[in-house]
Amino acid sequence: EAGVTQFPSHSVIEKGQTVTLRCDPISGHDNLYWYRRVMGKEIKFLLHFVKESKQDESGMPNNRFLAERTGGTYSTLKVQPAELEDSGVYFCASSQQVNYGYTFGSGTRLTVV
Amino acid sequence: DQQVKQNSPSLSVQEGRISILNCDYTNSMFDYFLWYKKYPAEGPTFLISISSIKDKNEDGRFTVFLNKSAKHLSLHIVPSQPGDSAVYFCAASGSGGSNYKLTFGKGTLLTVNP
Repeated sequence: EAGVTQFPSHSVIEKGQTVTLRCDPISGHDNLYWYRRVMGKEIKFLLHFVKESKQDESGMPNNRFLAERTGGTYSTLKVQPAELEDSGVYFCASSQQVNYGYTFGSGTRLTVV
Repeated sequence: DQQVKQNSPSLSVQEGRISILNCDYTNSMFDYFLWYKKYPAEGPTFLISISSIKDKNEDGRFTVFLNKSAKHLSLHIVPSQPGDSAVYFCAASGSGGSNYKLTFGKGTLLTVNP
């Protein structure tokens, strides 16, 4: 089966611009998660979807971040406007059931300059 | 406040020897612990886990030990192989409704020299 796919793999944008990251989970996985790793720090939870509903978005840094999951399939994470501190690697993961045994994508490396 | 700590940023061992990666946690509500392995330009890959009701879990060359009283866990790799060279993340999860949310440490870069 295909794994979790993230696009783009890299993105370099200027401060103040908008960037949209996309995640395609494993087919049939209702649960989708976003995490972020800022340089030199730990991987941190951002939010959790069950199908198209946000179950927990307690890790979202601020209202410049907007996550959506259209029809319970793929998800997008939009950063608008981007700030320098948003630079990092954004990971998406998915699972069939709500548990911690989920599969991560390769991540999107976002650089804000 | 970091709840999961990996105090060694890096570790270097010789092929065939034992690798021991350590992890400490502060939140006593954590009841499930995992180790993930990450190669460059890839996402974390699940390696092994342990429930708080156990003190040891073994899977082939990998063994995880949990000392609840010390809030400490460790990952042993025996024998170490060059392909084990990667960043290893310790992660923890709470029980019940928050069991989906992982709290990670900063990772330890393991280098296994041939």
